Amino acid sequence: GQQLNQSPQSMFIQEGEDVSMNCTSSSIFNTWLWYKQEPGEGPVLLIALYKAGELTSNGRLTAQFGITRKDSFLNISASIPSDVGIYFCAGQRDSGYALNFGKGTSLLVTP
Amino acid sequence: DTGVSQDPRHKITKRGQNVTFRCDPISEHNRLYWYRQTLGQGPEFLTYFQNEAQLEKSRLLSDRFSAERPKGSFSTLEIQRTEQGDSAMYLCASTPGGGSGNTIYFGEGSWLTVV
Repeated sequence: GQQLNQSPQSMFIQEGEDVSMNCTSSSIFNTWLWYKQEPGEGPVLLIALYKAGELTSNGRLTAQFGITRKDSFLNISASIPSDVGIYFCAGQRDSGYALNFGKGTSLLVTP
Repeated sequence: DTGVSQDPRHKITKRGQNVTFRCDPISEHNRLYWYRQTLGQGPEFLTYFQNEAQLEKSRLLSDRFSAERPKGSFSTLEIQRTEQGDSAMYLCASTPGGGSGNTIYFGEGSWLTVV
């Protein structure tokens, strides 16, 4: 399937800083999802976006579905050590179809 | 626990042996997916089921791989004659079905190491 371009590849930040990461695709998707994965575990859903232009928050996390339907970004405000993990974006053409994942953004947060 | 359940969580096998993984989806989720993930990569789609029907298979699913969902509930993924390149985490996911807003939930994965 289509691989999404996710950036940055990794981030090393101090606790309290804000984080921004994004995902782009050459294809249009009708759903964008953001997952977090910790070592040895499966991806956990953070935010789901279903409409172009949609801006959705989940606590300190905010994600937007790009107007062109070819991109999405995720912001984390006031990062804390437990935010450490790999964040994946995933695009879905239509509901129920397979997800196409990016390669992930690895986030490290120092106290 | 009402999440997606996978078994075993870890499997070490010798090259050439067969392995089977089981997935129990969230109750009443009629779509079930299998993905494979290697180190440093995002999950890659293998196949999915709508109830007991296997509706799509990726080119990644070689002849040595077979998946079943006989009663539309749990699913199994079998790999025959394993190769070292099969070493990966195999993820199962489920969703209620079609219609907007049905997001996909993943299990904790089954780690396979082929030695």
